[in-house]
Amino acid sequence: AQSVTQLDSQVPVFEEAPVELRCNYSSSVSVYLFWYVQYPNQGLQLLLKYLSGSTLVESINGFEAEFNKSQTSFHLRKPSVHISDTAEYFCAVTPSGGYNKLIFGAGTRLAVHP
Amino acid sequence: NAGVTQTPKFRILKIGQSMTLQCTQDMNHNYMYWYRQDPGMGLKLIYYSVGAGITDKGEVPNGYNVSRSTTEDFPLRLELAAPSQTSVYFCASSSQGTEQFFGPGTRLTVL
Repeated sequence: AQSVTQLDSQVPVFEEAPVELRCNYSSSVSVYLFWYVQYPNQGLQLLLKYLSGSTLVESINGFEAEFNKSQTSFHLRKPSVHISDTAEYFCAVTPSGGYNKLIFGAGTRLAVHP
Repeated sequence: NAGVTQTPKFRILKIGQSMTLQCTQDMNHNYMYWYRQDPGMGLKLIYYSVGAGITDKGEVPNGYNVSRSTTEDFPLRLELAAPSQTSVYFCASSSQGTEQFFGPGTRLTVL
């Protein structure tokens, strides 16, 4: 079975500061990894994913995440955040080649302050 | 494309009532899912389907039922509503090996 731990439930940060949201996973099989973002009162949107290949993946709005197999981590980073990045971020994992059943972490609420 | 649509957006039920949450996708995805989201708990998988006529239980199936008669629709049925089923429910769909696309959610309160 798989599990996901998001180490911080809340991360407050000032605008234009860097941020890292931490995600660790546990699995005995190879996995696909995802970060989803949820803005207030909305559904989840995919931010970025790791399926295979380069361990560093990037999103179109400046976020990046690095898959570290030895540390079983998939931390999310952004060098300079904006007010509009305020949202809840979920890390998720699914066994590769399966039915895409996602196991989610509890979420990290990112609050960007002016 | 509308993507994944869910109805209703909000609903209040009394204990013991029943209801069906509707979910429709227009992306011709084989896989569909129902999740519930409780505060501070992330999302938990209730049921999923890998094609019309095929459904299976997720992590938290008790108190729910599903059916999948068409590729597009995947309704979730609550037979005897309980306060523990107060939650936000999300439907999602995907093709094999790709991301899941989520609907906007249904906020259900059971009093």
